[in-house]
Amino acid sequence: SSELIQPPSVSVSPGQTASISCSGDNLRGKYVSWYQKKPGQSPVLSMYQDNKRPSEIPERFSGSNSGKTATLTIRETQAMDEAEYYCQAWDSRNATVIFGGGTKLTVL
Amino acid sequence: QVQLQESGPGLVKPSETLALTCTVSGASFDNYYWAWIRQPPGKGLEWLGYVSYSGSTSYEPSLKSRLTMSLDRSKNQFSLKLTSATAADTSLYFCARQKERGLRTFFDYWGQGILVSVSS
Repeated sequence: SSELIQPPSVSVSPGQTASISCSGDNLRGKYVSWYQKKPGQSPVLSMYQDNKRPSEIPERFSGSNSGKTATLTIRETQAMDEAEYYCQAWDSRNATVIFGGGTKLTVL
Repeated sequence: QVQLQESGPGLVKPSETLALTCTVSGASFDNYYWAWIRQPPGKGLEWLGYVSYSGSTSYEPSLKSRLTMSLDRSKNQFSLKLTSATAADTSLYFCARQKERGLRTFFDYWGQGILVSVSS
């Protein structure tokens, strides 16, 4: 089946920009969404359809999809952004939703 | 405020049926897809499938033979049944509202999750 590949971890200093990547077999024509998950909490939609930000998500969050790699970018990263981030897309070949393995964002 | 809440047994015996319910408040079932997603301990998220507002279903192909999802509008609930449970089904199970389907799929509201262990 198709896969979405994420780096296991990303570290960033407070106030700096964090970029979390998600790569897969031809992301061109696919929409990628992103979820933030903190321990003991349910996932929170952070970005949908590549670059649409839910109203409750800070403007510091943005998304993009180059066709090879989707990226979630967090500007002016804060301690509260520390979480696991998962990308998600639709696998047309297998008619299923696929998630990346998750990236743990650490704000040092 | 849309809220989803999972309920069901936290322990299921091997070979038995894992059955969960999700109670929805603050939203109508209409025009949405109501999904189940699980997360095995220490692993990533896995989509199981959805039941639509019309009652149609779509399941993860590898689990299709074991899954049944349904909707009960009178109770504002939708449910999951997974037959022939094994230890591999031990997971944190989430119910979620799936806003669209196919290429445009995303999940905008999630329940808190319920941990289900499969063990004798």
